[in-house]
Amino acid sequence: KAGVTQTPRYLIKTRGQQVTLSCSPISGHRSVSWYQQTPGQGLQFLFEYFSETQRNKGNFPGRFSGRQFSNSRSEMNVSTLELGDSALYLCASIPTAGETQYFGPGTRLLVL
Amino acid sequence: QKEVEQNSGPLSVPEGAIASLNCTYSDRGSQSFFWYRQYSGKSPELIMFIYSNGDKEDGRFTAQLNKASQYVSLLIRDSQPSDSATYLCAVKWGAAGNKLTFGGGTRVLVKP
Repeated sequence: KAGVTQTPRYLIKTRGQQVTLSCSPISGHRSVSWYQQTPGQGLQFLFEYFSETQRNKGNFPGRFSGRQFSNSRSEMNVSTLELGDSALYLCASIPTAGETQYFGPGTRLLVL
Repeated sequence: QKEVEQNSGPLSVPEGAIASLNCTYSDRGSQSFFWYRQYSGKSPELIMFIYSNGDKEDGRFTAQLNKASQYVSLLIRDSQPSDSATYLCAVKWGAAGNKLTFGGGTRVLVKP
């Protein structure tokens, strides 16, 4: 069974640009959560999607948005990038019935 | 505010010894508790989760939960150099959704 796939793995952008990150969960998993990890703030929850609906949202500005498609693949978008958005963005794939969350390899974003 | 606290370490233990990691959390409404291991430059991988008071063992790992005292711990027996990593404690609150709140992590160094 394939694991969680995130693309791209690395990204360099400049301030003011926008970026879209993609996550394909494990086959059969319908819930996807996104997290941001930085050295200063640690791992912070961004949002969760289940069956194409946002179920939970963390304390991030509106520049951070996401969506989920009918095949459970999810994208997150960050508009008007700031230097502080440089981080590792992690996607977690969650089975419908279960406690475990499986993280993808992450997308490392550098904003210059 | 819901918080999860961990000692940042580093926790240095000799090979073969027991590493003991602690995590405290701020709210009594918590539901499930998770331990993740994260190697430098990699994404978190689940070690185990626990939701009932008491001990839960999985191989060399034992998670201990005390809801009255609001702490969860992880014991690593027979520590190996390959256990050197950052260990993240995460808490899930509420019945809806899968949002995890993470502690800052404890860095463990196992010395041969």
